Amino acid sequence: EAGVAQSPRYKIIEKRQSVAFWCNPISGHATLYWYQQILGQGPKLLIQFQNNGVVDDSQLPKDRFSAERLKGVDSTLKIQPAKLEDSAVYLCASSQGLGRELFFGEGSRLTVL
Amino acid sequence: TQLLEQSPQFLSIQEGENLTVYCNSSSVFSSLQWYRQEPGEGPVLLVTVVTGGEVKKLKRLTFQFGDARKDSSLHITAAQPGDTGLYLCAGVGNNDMRFGAGTRLTVKP
Repeated sequence: EAGVAQSPRYKIIEKRQSVAFWCNPISGHATLYWYQQILGQGPKLLIQFQNNGVVDDSQLPKDRFSAERLKGVDSTLKIQPAKLEDSAVYLCASSQGLGRELFFGEGSRLTVL
Repeated sequence: TQLLEQSPQFLSIQEGENLTVYCNSSSVFSSLQWYRQEPGEGPVLLVTVVTGGEVKKLKRLTFQFGDARKDSSLHITAAQPGDTGLYLCAGVGNNDMRFGAGTRLTVKP
């Protein structure tokens, strides 16, 4: 069974530029999460989708971050414009439902200069 | 937002020692999960505890869920270098799952 796929693996941009990350969850997983993990910290939930609907985006900085999950499968997370403090690993995870095991991708490491 | 506090933040021990790490909250969870994360990878599930007072064993790892379902502990017996990693607890609420900051464990050979 294929795992959660994320791309790009690494991205370096300058502040005020934009960036987009892509996630392909495990087939059949209805729930998809985007987490931000700053070095030395635990993952912080940015947004949670159930199929193509948003369940929780209370911690998403909506002035610069956006995410969508068209057709309830793949998802993209966009940052525009990026700030220095956005430097982090962006983890995508999927599960069969709330409370079930999360399967994580390898993450996309963003460096903002 | 449920705040999960993990302690200690860092732990460095010698191979063969025992250790316990903690995950505490003022909120009640329907379940709690423990994950381990290695550098450059995503977290991987170790166990899910659901019932208050529940104890689960996974080889040398023992997980306990508090009676009130607000806290949990992870005990490792005879730690090995392969146990090195970031141990994360995640509390499952009504509609979300939030992670603690983790305990970074280093086991020296």
